[in-house]
Amino acid sequence: AQSVSQHNHHVILSEAASLELGCNYSYGGTVNLFWYVQYPGQHLQLLLKYFSGDPLVKGIKGFEAEFIKSKFSFNLRKPSVQWSDTAEYFCAVNAILGNEKLTFGTGTRLTIIP
Amino acid sequence: DGGITQSPKYLFRKEGQNVTLSCEQNLNHDAMYWYRQDPGQGLRLIYYSQIVNDFQKGDIAEGYSVSREKKESFPLTVTSAQKNPTAFYLCASSIRDRVINEQFFGPGTRLTVL
Repeated sequence: AQSVSQHNHHVILSEAASLELGCNYSYGGTVNLFWYVQYPGQHLQLLLKYFSGDPLVKGIKGFEAEFIKSKFSFNLRKPSVQWSDTAEYFCAVNAILGNEKLTFGTGTRLTIIP
Repeated sequence: DGGITQSPKYLFRKEGQNVTLSCEQNLNHDAMYWYRQDPGQGLRLIYYSQIVNDFQKGDIAEGYSVSREKKESFPLTVTSAQKNPTAFYLCASSIRDRVINEQFFGPGTRLTVL
C-alpha cells in the first residue's frame, strides 16, 4: 500500500521568502503525484500534477514541483510567496494501474506574514 | 457550470442519530469518493464507487454507509455506530481511468455532533 509523508506540519514565512514543502511517498511502482491546496473557506483545488514526462511540473499561481524518482519525492516550491498563499497544502499519490485510490499526506499549513 | 455540490454546508446532529450527507456531480464522472478531513490527519478515504450500484470500503469505513443508485449521486450516511463523527466531509469525483486519477472536490460538509 502506498503512503505519503509531509514532514512540515506548519510553516511560517514572510512575504517574498522562498518556499519548499516536502513530500515523500512510499510505493515501488509507477505513480501519479498531486499537490492540492485548500485556501481558508474554499474548496480543495488542484495546484499541480505529475503523470509522466518532464519531472519539473509547473502549476497555478507560480508554484512548481519536482519529481525525483530516486528519492521518492515530489517537493513543492515557489520562489517568492505572497500573503494570499496562506493555505493548507496536501500532497497525494496514486499508484498507476492500482486501485484508483488517492492517498493523501497529512497536510502542511502555510502562514505568510505580510 | 459543471461541478460537485455538497449539502448541507453545516450539519448538527445529536448523539445516537443517523445523518445523511448529500453529494451530487454533473461532470459525468464514473467514480465518486468520500473523504473525512480532521486537523493534522489529512484526508482519509471512507468509501468510493467506480460505477453505479457498486462501491468499496476505504480506509475508515466503520460507522458509515453509502449508496450509488445514480451516476450523479453518492450520498453518505453517518450512523450512530461512528464513534467520533465530528469532522469535515469531502466528496470527490473522477473519470474512471487506471492511469490518470485526477479527482475534483466539492465544498465539503462540516458535521458537528452535539
